Amino acid sequence: KAGVTQTPRYLIKTRGQQVTLSCSPISGHRSVSWYQQTPGQGLQFLFEYFSETQRNKGNFPGRFSGRQFSNSRSEMNVSTLELGDSALYLCASSLGTSGGNEQYFGPGTRLTVT
Amino acid sequence: GDSVTQMEGPVTLSEEAFLTINCTYTATGYPSLFWYVQYPGEGLQLLLKATKADDKGSNKGFEATYRKETTSFHLEKGSVQVSDSAVYFCALRARNSGNTPLVFGKGTRLSVIA
Repeated sequence: KAGVTQTPRYLIKTRGQQVTLSCSPISGHRSVSWYQQTPGQGLQFLFEYFSETQRNKGNFPGRFSGRQFSNSRSEMNVSTLELGDSALYLCASSLGTSGGNEQYFGPGTRLTVT
Repeated sequence: GDSVTQMEGPVTLSEEAFLTINCTYTATGYPSLFWYVQYPGEGLQLLLKATKADDKGSNKGFEATYRKETTSFHLEKGSVQVSDSAVYFCALRARNSGNTPLVFGKGTRLSVIA
C-alpha cells in the first residue's frame, strides 16, 4: 500500500507571497492532519480534516488554512508569507480521528521563505 | 493542557550499547502513547505504540512500556546500531471523544558511532 505523499518536497518563496501544499493520504484513510516542524518550536499541530470538514485546529493565525477533497486529498495554504513560516510541513493520515488511531506521516514539504 | 517531556539530547552511544530515552507525559484520562523516529531529510515514522496501561509496544528491537503510575513511556533498545542514528519523538494522543491531535515532545537526537 502506498504511503502518504506530499508535493512539492521543497519550495522557496518570498515574503508576502502565498503557497499551497498538497497531501495525498494512504488509501482508505479519511483523516488528514497537518503539522509544522521548526527547530525552535518543534512539532506543532495545525489542523485536522475528516470527510471534507475541519475537525480540529491548532493555535495558528488565519493566514494558515486548509481543505480536504472528496477523495480525502488535502491542501494547506499559507497566505502573506513571513520569514517565520519557514519550516518543514508534515501531513499525516489515519483511519479516523479518535485517539486510538495511528497517524502515518509523509516525507514533508520543506518551505523556505526569503 | 496535555504535554510530553523527553530527555534532552543529543545522546551519543557506541554501537551495541544500551539505549534509554526517557519520556513522561501529562494528560487527562488515559492517552495513547507513541514513539516516532525521524531520519535525516525524512518525515516521521511510527516506531511503536501502546494504548493502555502496562501495554508494551515493540518494534525493530525497540521497546516501551506504558506506565500509568509514573506517567512514563521510556524507549529502550538493548544493542543500538549505527543505522539507529536519528531523532526520536515521544507523543501522546488523548482518547476522549472527539478529534485529538498528536502532542509531541521536543525530540531526542541519537548518534551511534561505530
